[in-house]
Order: sequence, then C-alpha cells, then structure tokens
Amino acid sequence: QVQLQESGPGLVKPSETLSLTCAVSGGSISSYYWSWIRQPAGKGLEWIGRIYVSGFTNYNPSLKTRVSMSADTSKNQFTLKLSSVTAADTAVYYCAKLVAAGGIRWFDPWGQGTLVTVSS
Amino acid sequence: QSVLTQPPSASGTPGQRVTISCSGGTSNIGNNPVNWYQQFPGTAPKLLIYTNNQRPSGVPDRFSGSKSGTSASLAISGLQSEDESDYYCEAWDDTLNGPVFGGGTKVTVL
Repeated sequence: QVQLQESGPGLVKPSETLSLTCAVSGGSISSYYWSWIRQPAGKGLEWIGRIYVSGFTNYNPSLKTRVSMSADTSKNQFTLKLSSVTAADTAVYYCAKLVAAGGIRWFDPWGQGTLVTVSS
Repeated sequence: QSVLTQPPSASGTPGQRVTISCSGGTSNIGNNPVNWYQQFPGTAPKLLIYTNNQRPSGVPDRFSGSKSGTSASLAISGLQSEDESDYYCEAWDDTLNGPVFGGGTKVTVL
C-alpha cells in the first residue's frame, strides 16, 4: 500500500522560497505521475503541478513562473519549490499520486498534508 | 472561483438520499471522466468515486456517481451520520492540461 508523507518548514517569510518534500513508501515513484495540490483554510483545492520521474513536468499556468518540481528516485521522493511567496500562498499542501492511463486520471492516495504559513 | 460549480451545502436526514451536482464545460467534464473526493475536517481528501461511477475498494455502495454532458452528480443513498463531510468533484481540463476541482459541498446530516 503506497503511502505519502509531506515534510518541510511550516513557516516561510514573504518573498522567500517554499520548499516541500514528499516521501513515498510502499512502492516506487517510477512509472507514475506525482502531484502537488494545495488548499487555503476554508477553501477549495488547487492543483499546483505534476512530475514524472523521467523529468517531465507540467504546472498550473497561474503558478508556472514560480513553481519547480523534481524527483529523486534514489530516495523515492519528490519535491516542490514555490518562489516569491506571499500571504496568498498560505495553505495546506498535499502531495498525491496521479493514476493515469488511457485518458482516465485520478488522485489516490494523498499525503496527510502540511500547513505552510507565509508570514514575517 | 472554482472552475467546476458545486452547491456549497446539502443536507438530509438519516436514511434519505442526497444528491450533489457538479457543473463544468466542454474542456473538462464534457470531454473527461469525473472523480469525487470525500474530506473530513483536518484530514486529506480521499478518493470516493473515480471515472464517473467506479467505487474504490472499501467505499460503501450507497455512494454512486453519474455524468451527463458537462455535468456530473454524486448520490448518497441511505444517508448516515458518518457521511457528514465535504465532497469535491474533479475532472481533467484539456485547456489547462491539468485537473480542475469544484468548490466543495458540505453535507450535513440533520
């Protein structure tokens, strides 16, 4: 059973770079897409982007200029970096496995989420 | 403002049937399958329905999904107190080349 666990600083200063890691256990990160999704308090879900271990990435256009993702197969984990953060980036950040095949896609499982607050 | 439109709330008494709608467009629901997630307060979303109407192992059969055109719906029949939760629809968007979500519907069991 694949499990995901996010980790990283819970507090980031405005204009700095948010950096999170998602450790995957119970399965290899190879041969699958992996995503980051965030949720501001009391609000809905926003997709940030996805990565395949080959290095393929695609990001939400609304965040594209500030986002980068990478994967480390030796550690079986992938990371998110979001630069120039503002208070609007305060949210719970989730990592999730994107199951994709033949035009059908869904997210399962999800990590438990980690709250990142942007504040000085 | 979410791309997919859901009612913010829905409610019912135990045993009733509750339906949640999810409206989108041709680039998302109209051309791609819909998934539904259940989220309890303080926890991560959990896959509830995938590819319009498929239930993952362990999801009770009182949960069902359907899709028609650019809209989808989630039905909970035989509502139980433990179904009180937030529910989100999601579909791939061909213009975004990524998924879009509904704003979520809070289901209350009266």
